[in-house]
Amino acid sequence: EAGVAQSPRYKIIEKRQSVAFWCNPISGHATLYWYQQILGQGPKLLIQFQNNGVVDDSQLPKDRFSAERLKGVDSTLKIQPAKLEDSAVYLCASSLVGRAQFFGPGTRLTVL
Amino acid sequence: DAKTTQPTSMDCAEGRAANLPCNHSTISGNEYVYWYRQIHSQGPQYIIHGLKNNETNEMASLIITEDRKSSTLILPHATLRDTAVYYCIVRVTNTGNQFYFGTGTSLTVIP
Repeated sequence: EAGVAQSPRYKIIEKRQSVAFWCNPISGHATLYWYQQILGQGPKLLIQFQNNGVVDDSQLPKDRFSAERLKGVDSTLKIQPAKLEDSAVYLCASSLVGRAQFFGPGTRLTVL
Repeated sequence: DAKTTQPTSMDCAEGRAANLPCNHSTISGNEYVYWYRQIHSQGPQYIIHGLKNNETNEMASLIITEDRKSSTLILPHATLRDTAVYYCIVRVTNTGNQFYFGTGTSLTVIP
């Protein structure tokens, strides 16, 4: 069974630029999550989708971050404009409803 | 906010059992305890989860106290590849099954 796919694996941008990350969840998983993991910390949930609807985006900085899951499968997370403090690993996870989450390898973002 | 507390770091000799403790004193009756681990530069990997009863799978055993306020993850025969950060998480059910990660326990398996 294929796992959660993410791309790109690494991205380096300058502050005030825009960036987008892509996630393809495990087939059949209705729930999709985006996390931000700053070096030395545990992952922090940014947004949770169930199918194409948002369940929780309370920790998403909505002035600069946006996410969508238009067809209830793939998802995109965007940052516009990026700040230095956005440097982190962005993790995508998916699950069946109410079950264990399975994580992708993450995208390491460096903002210069 | 994380609902769990774990020691910051632990060491374990290779081949011995690694026992990783976790406190979750405010856990609610229908909230599950999950354990994940994260090896450097990889995404977190699911290990095991439980509600009330002890659980065992091919990777580990999970012991949950009767009052459910704490649990222990047991890796029966630690290997060097078990060196990782281990996260104990309570899955919050009343708002959509979110996970709130703490900072975890950094386990180092020593040869």
